[in-house]
Amino acid sequence: DAGVTQSPTHLIKTRGQQVTLRCSPKSGHDTVSWYQQALGQGPQFIFQYYEEEERQRGNFPDRFSGHQFPNYSSELNVNALLLGDSALYLCASSLRPIGGEQFFGPGTRLTVL
Amino acid sequence: EDQVTQSPEALRLQEGESSSLNCSYTVSGLRGLFWYRQDPGKGPEFLFTLYSAGEEKEKERLKATLTKKESFLHITAPKPEDSATYLCAVRTGANSKLTFGKGITLSVRP
Repeated sequence: DAGVTQSPTHLIKTRGQQVTLRCSPKSGHDTVSWYQQALGQGPQFIFQYYEEEERQRGNFPDRFSGHQFPNYSSELNVNALLLGDSALYLCASSLRPIGGEQFFGPGTRLTVL
Repeated sequence: EDQVTQSPEALRLQEGESSSLNCSYTVSGLRGLFWYRQDPGKGPEFLFTLYSAGEEKEKERLKATLTKKESFLHITAPKPEDSATYLCAVRTGANSKLTFGKGITLSVRP
């Protein structure tokens, strides 16, 4: 049973660039949530996708956007990168938006120079 | 706004020395409290979900408990491989998001 997968593992970008991160949910799951984790902090909720729509959003600017595909996989896009966007980006999948556990992928380490 | 506070920030134990990690929360309408383990540079690994005060769950050397204000993760006779950061998170009301604490870094010396 494949767990949550994310790509790429690591990414280095410069300020002002754009980045796309990808996530495939655990088999049988239909909901994907994205989190940002700065060094030494707990994960912060960015947004959640279910049925190809954004269902809930955290306190992140519009530079952060996403998409969910019919096969439940998801992308996180960040435009106009800032130094402060450097973090571990985590994808979590679950069965339905509310109820049940969220299972996390290994994360994508983004470094903005 | 939901708040989750974990203490202590870091804990160093000798192998076999039992202890407890604390997660206190201030929320409206708790719909679940979650414990995760995170190894350096990796994603959080799910451990437990607790839904109501008085509930307890166990897995190997770990036992999680829940009251109306806090949760404890008890570690019995820890081993070096239990060294990791332990994260606590809550889900509330109609929200689907998890609100996390900062985590507790546990080091177990052989």
